[in-house]
Amino acid sequence: QVQLQESGPGLVKPSQTLSLTCTVSGGSISSGSYYWSWIRQPAGKGLEWIGRIYTSGSTNYNPSLKSRVTISVDTSKNQFSLKLSSVTAADTAVYYCARGMTTVTLWGQGTLVTVSS
Amino acid sequence: DIQMTQSPSSLSASVGDRVTITCRASQGISNYLAWFQQKPGKAPKSLIYAASSLQSGVPSKFSGSGSGTDFTLTISSLQPEDFATYYCQQYNSYPPTFGPGTKVDIK
Repeated sequence: QVQLQESGPGLVKPSQTLSLTCTVSGGSISSGSYYWSWIRQPAGKGLEWIGRIYTSGSTNYNPSLKSRVTISVDTSKNQFSLKLSSVTAADTAVYYCARGMTTVTLWGQGTLVTVSS
Repeated sequence: DIQMTQSPSSLSASVGDRVTITCRASQGISNYLAWFQQKPGKAPKSLIYAASSLQSGVPSKFSGSGSGTDFTLTISSLQPEDFATYYCQQYNSYPPTFGPGTKVDIK
């Protein structure tokens, strides 16, 4: 079955850019009418939707983060990626990649990203 | 953004109990409501979409209801594996927003 796996640096310095990749295994990222999302969760807190991309390349971003977020897809590698610029300590969280059609139905295991000097 | 609230924020229950969690949206969202279960240190798991439709593989002890602004998640007979935090999410309006969660622990 399809699985999602996040990867990327676990530590990012303030003001730098956070970069994460989600690798899709067990199926093609291009098959089906799915969108591919990023969601984050600060320690002990709730979930925040960051944005999503369709395999057509169209994107939607949370307005609260839109000026700093870029989500892209690489169908040849069966991956999609998140870039979050100008990070601060408030961006420290577990970052999840996810898949869905209307809402999320499949989650990656999550990866902790800490913003600290 | 649409604000989602949940009540209670936490509850203690015994194995076998029937448990109901309430989720309220700050404005009408039709039935564009999902429920997720999250255990400590794990990714959320999708339980319900469209307010009352079970995701594939989710046991029928979970049920959802509601429309408009008020929704409920019910666990008919709580089992040890059900102790977790439950989140609702609206996906009627952009951006999708989550409730703050309801933690269900053992009495």
